[in-house]
Amino acid sequence: GAGVSQSPSNKVTEKGKDVELRCDPISGHTALYWYRQSLGQGLEFLIYFQGNSAPDKSGLPSDRFSAERTGGSVSTLTIQRTQQEDSAVYLCASSSKIGPGQGFGSPLHFGNGTRLTVT
Amino acid sequence: SQQGEEDPQALSIQEGENATMNCSYKTSINNLQWYRQNSGRGLVHLILIRSNEREKHSGRLRVTLDTSKKSSSLLITASRAADTASYFCATVLYNQGGKLIFGQGTELSVKP
Repeated sequence: GAGVSQSPSNKVTEKGKDVELRCDPISGHTALYWYRQSLGQGLEFLIYFQGNSAPDKSGLPSDRFSAERTGGSVSTLTIQRTQQEDSAVYLCASSSKIGPGQGFGSPLHFGNGTRLTVT
Repeated sequence: SQQGEEDPQALSIQEGENATMNCSYKTSINNLQWYRQNSGRGLVHLILIRSNEREKHSGRLRVTLDTSKKSSSLLITASRAADTASYFCATVLYNQGGKLIFGQGTELSVKP
């Protein structure tokens, strides 16, 4: 079936505006992850979902960042009052299994990301 | 700080040569995974090695894991220009569910 889809692919916004980034995971995948990647850098973990709940929000950089997942499928990452340091590629990934006894830490399937530029 | 750290940060080789990338990590893991990223794209999973495994092969890829040294290596044999990409290791921490922590990556350039 289709892979992980992210929209928009590119977003340019002015400092102080709010943005919403969308992720459509692979159908049936229960786990969904958000990462941030700055130019030429590795991936910074933001948050992951198991179904609709988020067991680990430890990576969210500040209270301006929030994420939700509805119906165990689509997820939205919202950044309020954007700052220039928020400029990065935001990557979403999904996985079919998570947790002990369920293929612990199964491989992730990534989307192509949303490139966010805050001017 | 990042759980996984790769070295070298950048590697340039000729087609046909082997490429070796290393990854070190800090805490106990459940498994370790290697991913590849082409410029401007998302990451693609290459191979997963569990903490009770020492070596794994997939095509031209060979991964080793040494849990006593908290390190792993990825070997690409007979490299091709199409192998040019960034390579990342990712660890699943033993006591933190399925969260994958990525290293900073190795940028591999294979010259034809």
